Amino acid sequence: DAGVIQSPRHEVTEMGQEVTLRCKPISGHDYLFWYRQTMMRGLELLIYFNNNVPIDDSGMPEDRFSAKMPNASFSTLKIQPSEPRDSAVYFCASSLDRAHEQYFGPGTRLTVT
Amino acid sequence: EDQVTQSPEALRLQEGESSSLNCSYTVSGLRGLFWYRQDPGKGPEFLFTLYSAGEEKEKERLKATLTKKESFLHITAPKPEDSATYLCAVQAVIQGAQKLVFGQGTRLTINP
Repeated sequence: DAGVIQSPRHEVTEMGQEVTLRCKPISGHDYLFWYRQTMMRGLELLIYFNNNVPIDDSGMPEDRFSAKMPNASFSTLKIQPSEPRDSAVYFCASSLDRAHEQYFGPGTRLTVT
Repeated sequence: EDQVTQSPEALRLQEGESSSLNCSYTVSGLRGLFWYRQDPGKGPEFLFTLYSAGEEKEKERLKATLTKKESFLHITAPKPEDSATYLCAVQAVIQGAQKLVFGQGTRLTINP
């Protein structure tokens, strides 16, 4: 398996623009997670899905952030409108079930100017 | 408040100099403790899972141990390629939801 795939790897955008991050989980994994990593706050869970259904979105910072999982092999995290404070590395991870280890993708480095 | 604290924040060792990294946690309803390695510009890479006090896991030069309040990652005779940030994460029930809470990490540098 190729592991968790994320795109783009780098994104530079201007404040106010819409940003869409993409993720393909490991085949057969029922859980998908979106995290954000910054120097100040470390790794933070934003939202996770089980069998394509959002289970816990309490980590989503505000209404500008939304996530979808239309099928078992694809998820998106959208920020609209983007702000400079959204600059961070966004990771997608997947796991077989809630108790097992999570496997992380390479991340998307987002810079909002 | 549920917390995961790692120490030290950074550690420099000479090649071959053994040491330990610490992860202490104050969570209720522990469901597992995970160790990850993260290289610059990459996602965290899974190393170990520990579920109960007294449990130990080993992989090459690394050994992870778990007590009721903390976990240690022991590194024996490290090599420069062991340089990375090591992250500890605790799977716990927080406000009714099962979540993985990460510590801030220990940045390990092994000098040749």
